[in-house]
Amino acid sequence: QSALTQTPSVSGSPGQSVTIYCTGTSSDIGAYDRVSWFRQPPGTAPNLIIYDVSKRPSGVPDRFSGSKSGSTASLTISGLQTEDEADYYCSSYTSSSTLLFGGGTKLTVL
Amino acid sequence: EVQLAESGGGVVQPGRSLRLSCAASRFTFGDYGMHWVRQAPGKGLEWVSGISWNSDIIAYADSVKGRFTISRDNAKNSLYLQMNSLRLEDTALYYCAKDGSWLFWGPDSWGQGTLVTVSS
Repeated sequence: QSALTQTPSVSGSPGQSVTIYCTGTSSDIGAYDRVSWFRQPPGTAPNLIIYDVSKRPSGVPDRFSGSKSGSTASLTISGLQTEDEADYYCSSYTSSSTLLFGGGTKLTVL
Repeated sequence: EVQLAESGGGVVQPGRSLRLSCAASRFTFGDYGMHWVRQAPGKGLEWVSGISWNSDIIAYADSVKGRFTISRDNAKNSLYLQMNSLRLEDTALYYCAKDGSWLFWGPDSWGQGTLVTVSS
C-alpha cells in the first residue's frame, strides 16, 4: 500500500495557473474514477475540493478543476489567489477495497 | 452542515490501548460510509480504516491491520476506533470523516481531529 505520488511543492504567481499531479497504478487511479482532491490550509482539517475525478462540491469555485489520464490524476487551479496557498492531497479507492492518499503538495503563491 | 466531533485521544504508553469515538450530526449517519484518517505531526494524510453504511464492508491499512478495529452504532450516530498494541509510530491527529456514498470511496466531510500520542 504505497502512497500515491505527488510532487512535494509547486508555486505560482497570483492570476496564474498551476497543475498538481497525482500518480498511481492500474490498481487504484487507473482502475476507478474515485479520485478526490483535498485542500488543507495550515493548522486546519482537510476540505474536499474535487471528487470522482472532476466533480466539484457546491461552494467550490470553478477555478478548481480535475482530470485523469490512465493512472495519473491532476488538479488545476486557475486564477491563483493568495488564499489558495495550502497543502493539497489526492486520494483514490483501490482494488484492495482500501483508500490511498498522495504524499501531499505544498502550493506557494508568490 | 455536517458535524463530526472526535474524542478519546490522549497520551498512552506503547503496547497499551485507546478507543476513539466520533459523534456525527446534521446528516443521516446510517446512510453513509465512514473513515478514520490520521496525520502524524508535520506529515501527510494516511488512511487508517473504512466502514460501509451497515458495517458489512470493513477495510484497514496494512499498518494497522490486526491491531485496530473500526465499528459504528447507527442508532447512536457514532463511529469508533479501538486501537490496541499501540506503537510510537501511531502518534498522530486522528480524523473522523464521512464518505460521500454508502461505502468508503472518498471522504467529503471531516472532523477537527483528536490527538493520540504514544510515548513511554
